[in-house]
Amino acid sequence: GENVEQHPSTLSVQEGDSAVIKCTYSDSASNYFPWYKQELGKRPQLIIDIRSNVGEKKDQRIAVTLNKTAKHFSLHITETQPEDSAVYFCAAKGFGYSTLTFGKGTMLLVSP
Amino acid sequence: GAVVSQHPSRVICKSGTSVKIECRSLDFQATTMFWYRQFPKQSLMLMATSNEGSKATYEQGVEKDKFLINHASLTLSTLTVTSAHPEDSSFYICSARERGPGMGTGAFFGQGTRLTVV
Repeated sequence: GENVEQHPSTLSVQEGDSAVIKCTYSDSASNYFPWYKQELGKRPQLIIDIRSNVGEKKDQRIAVTLNKTAKHFSLHITETQPEDSAVYFCAAKGFGYSTLTFGKGTMLLVSP
Repeated sequence: GAVVSQHPSRVICKSGTSVKIECRSLDFQATTMFWYRQFPKQSLMLMATSNEGSKATYEQGVEKDKFLINHASLTLSTLTVTSAHPEDSSFYICSARERGPGMGTGAFFGQGTRLTVV
């Protein structure tokens, strides 16, 4: 089955800096890669996603890049703010599979 | 976006009792719902995939007789934790996948249920 590795496990940045979280996946047939933000005790919220036919997608301060050859994808957050502090999960879904495989998560802390 | 409602949000029960958690898709029909368990500071662990009108598919290591799943309609799936023990205490969360040619990704989560077994 699919295996998703996520790094780093924790990331501390100063407000205004950029943050990058990286994930790798094992199944070359995977074609959907969402990113979730989860605040303590709350549900994961989809913040951005990318499909395998696209190399990059941007939504305001958030962007995701995908390298299918290397089987890795990354989340980029620019101009970080304290409210960006949360746990971020990447996930991958294979073609024909119905489940998402999640990375272990990255705890992002943005200091004022 | 699609809304998934999970109830209750918190439950405390005595050891040995059973607890039922509901997951509803409010504005779409969900042929498939997923049940996850999340330990503190850890990722989401898929427990089972629930398909409307058929038996759930459990992940390896998940006891199907302990975690009963019923998906009786296109908008409701339930997870029953039977004979609960303190080690079952956790955050349980569902997600739902849309029906139809669009074939959703299961990206919509319920609010989660914090189960504490005392």
